[in-house]
Amino acid sequence: AQSVTQPDIHITVSEGASLELRCNYSYGATPYLFWYVQSPGQGLQLLLKYFSGDTLVQGIKGFEAEFKRSQSSFNLRKPSVHWSDAAEYFCAVGSDYGSGNTGKLIFGQGTTLQVKP
Amino acid sequence: DTEVTQTPKHLVMGMTNKKSLKCEQHMGHRAMYWYKQKAKKPPELMFVYSYEKLSINESVPSRFSPECPNSSLLNLHLHALQPEDSALYLCASSQEPQSSGNTIYFGEGSWLTVV
Repeated sequence: AQSVTQPDIHITVSEGASLELRCNYSYGATPYLFWYVQSPGQGLQLLLKYFSGDTLVQGIKGFEAEFKRSQSSFNLRKPSVHWSDAAEYFCAVGSDYGSGNTGKLIFGQGTTLQVKP
Repeated sequence: DTEVTQTPKHLVMGMTNKKSLKCEQHMGHRAMYWYKQKAKKPPELMFVYSYEKLSINESVPSRFSPECPNSSLLNLHLHALQPEDSALYLCASSQEPQSSGNTIYFGEGSWLTVV
């Protein structure tokens, strides 16, 4: 069964510091991987996605993620964090569902990012 | 334009009330979804509509009744809810239902409080 693990429940970084959020997945075939961000009281916004090709993916708001098949990881990075980046971050994998694909997302438990001034 | 619009943003209802949540997208997407999200938890899939037909029901109680009047609209009818149903309800859509590689776009959600 597909699964996603985000090992860090809560991370605090100083504004201007670099950021890496970890994501590990379990999936039998080539995974379709996503990072979403959710600001307090808001819906989910897509940051970036990996389907195939270049393993380093660029997203919005200066985020990037690297797909490493050997480590089953898809870690999210940002070189310099801004206070507005404080939010909940979800890693997800697109799953097969029974005999047909539905595009169902399997989410990790999320990582809460706090940014110190 | 990747926008999924949900109304209302906030809803308070009693356990005997009947209410509806509405969702609209104009991206030509053929799959629409309802997710439920409790505080500090990831979203949980409730229903999937594929080409306006219900394709997935994740064993959701019958007090939640989805409806897809056309390819742009998705409703969630609520009746006789329980306080534990209080949550953020997220609507989402994607271009093609039959692909694991679909990008799923979410709305801002409807905050539901059952009193």
